[in-house]
Amino acid sequence: DAGVTQSPTHLIKTRGQQVTLRCSPKSGHDTVSWYQQALGQGPQFIFQYYEEEERQRGNFPDRFSGHQFPNYSSELNVNALLLGDSALYLCASTLAGGSKNIQYFGAGTRLSVL
Amino acid sequence: QQQVKQSPQSLIVQKGGISIINCAYENTAFDYFPWYQQFPGKGPALLIAIRPDVSEKKEGRFTISFNKSAKQFSLHIMDSQPGDSATYFCAANFGNEKLTFGTGTRLTIIP
Repeated sequence: DAGVTQSPTHLIKTRGQQVTLRCSPKSGHDTVSWYQQALGQGPQFIFQYYEEEERQRGNFPDRFSGHQFPNYSSELNVNALLLGDSALYLCASTLAGGSKNIQYFGAGTRLSVL
Repeated sequence: QQQVKQSPQSLIVQKGGISIINCAYENTAFDYFPWYQQFPGKGPALLIAIRPDVSEKKEGRFTISFNKSAKQFSLHIMDSQPGDSATYFCAANFGNEKLTFGTGTRLTIIP
């Protein structure tokens, strides 16, 4: 049973560029959430996708956008990259309507903005 | 009202000792309180979780104590081992809503 998989593992971009990160949820899961984890900090919620729509959004600017595909996989897009966007980006999946709130995390994508 | 406060920021415990990490929350709507363990370069992994209808949950060497009236919960690691050295995050949410994380505790187990 494959867990949450994210790609790429590492990414280096320069300021002003755009980046796309990808996530495949755990088998059987239909809800994907994205988190940003700065060095030495706890993960911060970016947004959640369910049924191909953004269901919740954290306190992140519109430069952060996402998409969910019919197979439940998801993408996180960040435009006009800033140095402060350097972080570990985590994807978590869960089953909407499940009896448990459990969210499973991938290993993350380490984004460095130079 | 969405904050989860975690302490201490770092903790050093001798092998075989008890590691204790504390968290406090504000939002009384939270109904799920997980603890995640994170090793360097890895994503957070669910360790143990509790719901507010019980005061304690134990899984092996890991125990969550929950005090609903004080809006506090804690993680106890018994017989701490060097392999337990990691960063631990408490978190909280309700339903399938976003997880709100604490700031993390870096635990180091020394021989």
